[in-house]
Amino acid sequence: DQQVKQNSPSLSVQEGRISILNCDYTNSMFDYFLWYKKYPAEGPTFLISISSIKDKNEDGRFTVFLNKSAKHLSLHIVPSQPGDSAVYFCAASQIQGAQKLVFGQGTRLTINP
Amino acid sequence: DVKVTQSSRYLVKRTGEKVFLECVQDMDHENMFWYRQDPGLGLRLIYFSYDVKMKEKGDIPEGYSVSREKKERFSLILESASTNQTSMYLCASSFQLAGQQYFGPGTRLTVT
Repeated sequence: DQQVKQNSPSLSVQEGRISILNCDYTNSMFDYFLWYKKYPAEGPTFLISISSIKDKNEDGRFTVFLNKSAKHLSLHIVPSQPGDSAVYFCAASQIQGAQKLVFGQGTRLTINP
Repeated sequence: DVKVTQSSRYLVKRTGEKVFLECVQDMDHENMFWYRQDPGLGLRLIYFSYDVKMKEKGDIPEGYSVSREKKERFSLILESASTNQTSMYLCASSFQLAGQQYFGPGTRLTVT
């Protein structure tokens, strides 16, 4: 039972444009959501998070949007840069219920010059 | 800064060998995790530990065991390595069980 899904295995975007990565979840009890970025041969690094009490969180070029009614999370990167080429994982957990993170399958983002 | 280190970046072992992967964190985190990453399958949880000597199975524990004798160290053991255990192994730690996890650099294990 895949509780967190990233339905796009890959995404290709022109440099300077907006990249939008999507994530869907099935467990309505999730109250904390994160995005991680992973380069080849390295461990994932934390990018940005959002609590279920908010619907948007920004950090520089990165914005995460949460639509609780649709059980949908998205990461916007504006403008996209070549260094953003990586695999992006979304993850969700229940802080209130002390349930550990559940990860999506990942989306490989390629930024074309 | 949280630091999670893994004993090897690359490892090549033969089928049937016993393999130890070590992970050390320096932030006094209660929780530690072992994942494997395979193309198209994302991060799959093998085992996690929420305290010294405490462990719980994750989604794919078969063929693996773990040991946590000290708070900062979490070991993954492949009792008898098989070719289908060729993968990238990632260790992580966290302060809260449901909170942000900090990952090590990973160990690329090849079993021949």
